[in-house]
Amino acid sequence: EIVMTQSPATLSVSPGERATLSCRASQSVTYNLAWYQQKPGQAPRLLIYGASTRATGIPARFSGSGSGTEFTLTISSLQSEDFAIYYCQQYNNWPLTFGGGTKVEIK
Amino acid sequence: QLQLQESGPGLLEPSETLSLTCTVSGASINNDNYYWGWIRQPPGKGLEWIGTIFYTGTTYYNPSLKSRVTISVGTSKNQFSLKLSSVTAADTAVYYCARGFNGKHYMDVWGKGTTVTVSS
Repeated sequence: EIVMTQSPATLSVSPGERATLSCRASQSVTYNLAWYQQKPGQAPRLLIYGASTRATGIPARFSGSGSGTEFTLTISSLQSEDFAIYYCQQYNNWPLTFGGGTKVEIK
Repeated sequence: QLQLQESGPGLLEPSETLSLTCTVSGASINNDNYYWGWIRQPPGKGLEWIGTIFYTGTTYYNPSLKSRVTISVGTSKNQFSLKLSSVTAADTAVYYCARGFNGKHYMDVWGKGTTVTVSS
């Protein structure tokens, strides 16, 4: 099983600032990495797939990068609606696995 | 517009079998491009993939749950189902169904989720 590790667990950021979230895989997942956003009481929403491709309707301030074992989600200028928990997920191998999440909170 | 809706009992006693159904509207599950999956989230915790099914009936399960899980397709009603046997308090979670892509198993459409509590 591929273990996904996200850091930091919590990120405190002021509105308008840049947020950088990390996700590390225990072995290479090539580009088969997705990012999701989850707000309280809601289902996860797909943000990024293929490590860097934005899903339909996702604002350009969200960007993904990386390959192999190291990945980054960047939110260029945090808006109030961006404060949430973010999960990465690898789909290179079965079983599909998620990271533990990074909570982005208001500083 | 594609929508997924989970349904099933919200309260179970230990040792019972959890049975949930996901009803898909706005698209047919009989489609070579997509697969259909179940994911759960215990209270205050992260996401755990349970399993995935193609409309042909091919399934993939999380090894940690494989001995207790069955996912099946009910094509006549555009539904797919989850059964999890011998539940314990550790199976208390929000259960989501979701659509993924064949060959690239990220999930682009999710149901709203249904809460299942296991308690005596």
